[in-house]
Amino acid sequence: QSALTQPASVSGSPGQSITISCTGTSADVGGYDHVSWYQQHPGKAPKLLISDVTNRPSGVSNRFSGSKSGNTASLTISGLRPEDEADYYCTSYVTGASRVFGGGTRLTVL
Amino acid sequence: QVQLVQSGAEVKMPGALVKVSCKASGYIFTAHVLHWVRQAPGQGPEWMGWINTGNGNRKYSQTFQGRITITTDTSASVVYMELNSLTSGDTAVYYCAREIGLARSFDYWGQGTLVTVSS
Repeated sequence: QSALTQPASVSGSPGQSITISCTGTSADVGGYDHVSWYQQHPGKAPKLLISDVTNRPSGVSNRFSGSKSGNTASLTISGLRPEDEADYYCTSYVTGASRVFGGGTRLTVL
Repeated sequence: QVQLVQSGAEVKMPGALVKVSCKASGYIFTAHVLHWVRQAPGQGPEWMGWINTGNGNRKYSQTFQGRITITTDTSASVVYMELNSLTSGDTAVYYCAREIGLARSFDYWGQGTLVTVSS
């Protein structure tokens, strides 16, 4: 099972919006609405931001939103803040009940 | 509150095995699948496998098939992950993570256990 494809890095200025893509196949991202997104700060465990493509858990800012088209899912962060600087990972359910992570995207807030 | 508390850091020789524990509290233990995920230094997370704590069913990543065993002690609300035939490539932080029922997402994570494989 190959990792989902994410851009290695993205950047934006405070107040701007950015989008991170996550590309898989019909066996994972394209086949199921079980894509989730996580934020990870250095030395910390990942934190769930988005589940089931678009759902935000309680307590997660509405500046984070998710979407999907075909085999590509996306995470959009609006109104960038310095504390958003972190690594972001997507993950998907895979046919046969496995899971797969993306390679990760480093967000820099300029 | 939901907590997943993992065992402490380990240093192992190449060829050895490691067993990491994850003790759950604050929820009905058998109501959620628990996963193991590892993260090598400077790398992204890598999914290893899961166990259904209610019925004992398990699924392992093909990457680790034959080397990994995930077990559970429901009386103690603990899940274990054992990985054998360790190499330096297994040096990583190992996390347990709870799965949200139908959403297939990981809503709570353990604090992580650093496993270092070195001669």
